[in-house]
Amino acid sequence: NAGVTQTPKFQVLKTGQSMTLQCAQDMNHNSMYWYRQDPGMGLRLIYYSASEGTTDKGEVPNGYNVSRLNKREFSLRLESAAPSQTSVYFCASSGDRASPPQHFGDGTRLSIL
Amino acid sequence: KNEVEQSPQNLTAQEGEFITINCSYSVGISALHWLQQHPGGGIVSLFMLSSGKKKHGRLIATINIQEKHSSLHITASHPRDSAVYICAATIGGGADGLTFGKGTHLIIQP
Repeated sequence: NAGVTQTPKFQVLKTGQSMTLQCAQDMNHNSMYWYRQDPGMGLRLIYYSASEGTTDKGEVPNGYNVSRLNKREFSLRLESAAPSQTSVYFCASSGDRASPPQHFGDGTRLSIL
Repeated sequence: KNEVEQSPQNLTAQEGEFITINCSYSVGISALHWLQQHPGGGIVSLFMLSSGKKKHGRLIATINIQEKHSSLHITASHPRDSAVYICAATIGGGADGLTFGKGTHLIIQP
């Protein structure tokens, strides 16, 4: 019973490189979310998808793009990584379209040099 | 914007002590959540409250809607309770997720 699975768990990038963080949930949830967590700050919403085929910006979307590939998968892409994007990234999901996240992945620790 | 504030930021206590973590919010909310983040980083949802009180094992969460305040209590604390406890609020319709406090880092010493 995996829940929300994020890959990779750790990644080091150089400034300007691109990468995609993957997230998949096996709970048939409608809503999925991407957050970042920085020291001294609460989790901040980057993007969310209330249902398959829809995505919306959250509080800190600049420098990121997302794709809701299907109901299971929601990916986060950094097109040109910057040191300010060094963070821990969490994917989350919830069953209802209008419900906040209830299930979180284990996080991806990303460092941009 | 700091719509959700937690206190204390850090708390160290001895095993067996009664622990209280506070959360206050400045806007109307539809629900208040408490989450636990383990030392390894994983986040688990503990409670979702819109009124009153909820209890699960040694954990108790309360909310006072009029005072815009919630508390998380841990009775008979144990070193395995050491974690970051995060308060979060569903503001408005909730479709865009949660607004999080900065977390309380709790250490329970044996």
